[in-house]
Amino acid sequence: AQSVTQPDIHITVSEGASLELRCNYSYGATPYLFWYVQSPGQGLQLLLKYFSGDTLVQGIKGFEAEFKRSQSSFNLRKPSVHWSDAAEYFCAVGGNAGNNRKLIWGLGTSLAVNP
Amino acid sequence: EAQVTQNPRYLITVTGKKLTVTCSQNMNHEYMSWYRQDPGLGLRQIYYSMNVEVTDKGDVPEGYKVSRKEKRNFPLILESPSPNQTSLYFCASCRGLNTEAFFGQGTRLTVV
Repeated sequence: AQSVTQPDIHITVSEGASLELRCNYSYGATPYLFWYVQSPGQGLQLLLKYFSGDTLVQGIKGFEAEFKRSQSSFNLRKPSVHWSDAAEYFCAVGGNAGNNRKLIWGLGTSLAVNP
Repeated sequence: EAQVTQNPRYLITVTGKKLTVTCSQNMNHEYMSWYRQDPGLGLRQIYYSMNVEVTDKGDVPEGYKVSRKEKRNFPLILESPSPNQTSLYFCASCRGLNTEAFFGQGTRLTVV
């Protein structure tokens, strides 16, 4: 079955610390992988995406993610977190597996940033 | 500016009173969808549309209807709202499932 797992429901980090948000997926074909961010009271915004090529992708706001096929993972990272990064982060997978007609979403990771 | 516009942003209604949440996109996207977001449950797709006059059920379609008469508009209809439909609703559009999805600002619906 196609699925996306974000193992961490909630993470708290100190401002300036590094961050890694985990995402594992199960998908029956070549996945298209996405990370979205939802700031409080806002809709979702695309941070970055991976389709093919270089497995380390750069996104907006200083985020990057690494695709590891052997681990079925697409973890999001940031070297130094800012207070404005406090938000909900969603991993999603799409593609052409079977009759897939939708994005598969993780449940999200809520990030809190301590000053 | 590329955008997805939802209206209203906030709505409080009573059980059984029909309502419509509008969604419009200006990017000529073929694919549009509706989600509801509830604490601890993430985003759950209600309905989606792959083109004009082509709609299909998502994961939680019960109690909702949609229509896609024009490419830009994808309204969500609650014929007889119930309190368990109290939620935050998002409309999204994209060119395809391997492209960026653009989201509206959300509609917070409360059914009392």
